[in-house]
Amino acid sequence: DTGVSQNPRHKITKRGQNVTFRCDPISEHNRLYWYRQTLGQGPEFLTYFQNEAQLEKSRLLSDRFSAERPKGSFSTLEIQRTEQGDSAMYLCASSLGLAAYYNEQFFGPGTRLTVL
Amino acid sequence: GENVEQHPSTLSVQEGDSAVIKCTYSDSASNYFPWYKQELGKRPQLIIDIRSNVGEKKDQRIAVTLNKTAKHFSLHITETQPEDSAVYFCAASERGSNYKLTFGKGTLLTVNP
Repeated sequence: DTGVSQNPRHKITKRGQNVTFRCDPISEHNRLYWYRQTLGQGPEFLTYFQNEAQLEKSRLLSDRFSAERPKGSFSTLEIQRTEQGDSAMYLCASSLGLAAYYNEQFFGPGTRLTVL
Repeated sequence: GENVEQHPSTLSVQEGDSAVIKCTYSDSASNYFPWYKQELGKRPQLIIDIRSNVGEKKDQRIAVTLNKTAKHFSLHITETQPEDSAVYFCAASERGSNYKLTFGKGTLLTVNP
């Protein structure tokens, strides 16, 4: 499968625990995005990487959230001290990065987080 | 920031009928408008997109129209089939960004055989 992959697909954790999700983008894509999707809503932008540089973070991304893309390939999203309100589907997407041009974003299958 | 409103939230049609989903956006500087289809339990997939320099784009049974003056765009699906049943999301680009999208809340389309 040459598409965007995410692991794990499901994560159940207790409130207060830390969790980490991984995203592997399409290999030639230099842009990577994280979104959060709750029931009945569209994806909400969280953060964006151009290669290894994190260029934007949404106000939705509190201090408990951190994302990395250390070598410009895979990315991780960590949530510290999880809260029940963090329960959602976390989607990763990737795209080419042709300058000054929107490129199709390809989504991964998502990681569904449930905080008990 | 950008605000995208999508209507209706649910739409039920008979197989073979047409379906229309409408979105409005707030930022007149938005210039890219994709539509994504998300089947139950699956990832969103791009089905069609339009840029602000054109008013209409077609791809087989799917078309998108854009009215920049009124700041709205629509998805048209003709000759609907049961496999068209899914949630459809519209999105609009953010001012000054060539990567950031704001999505609508989605429309659940059900095509009845």
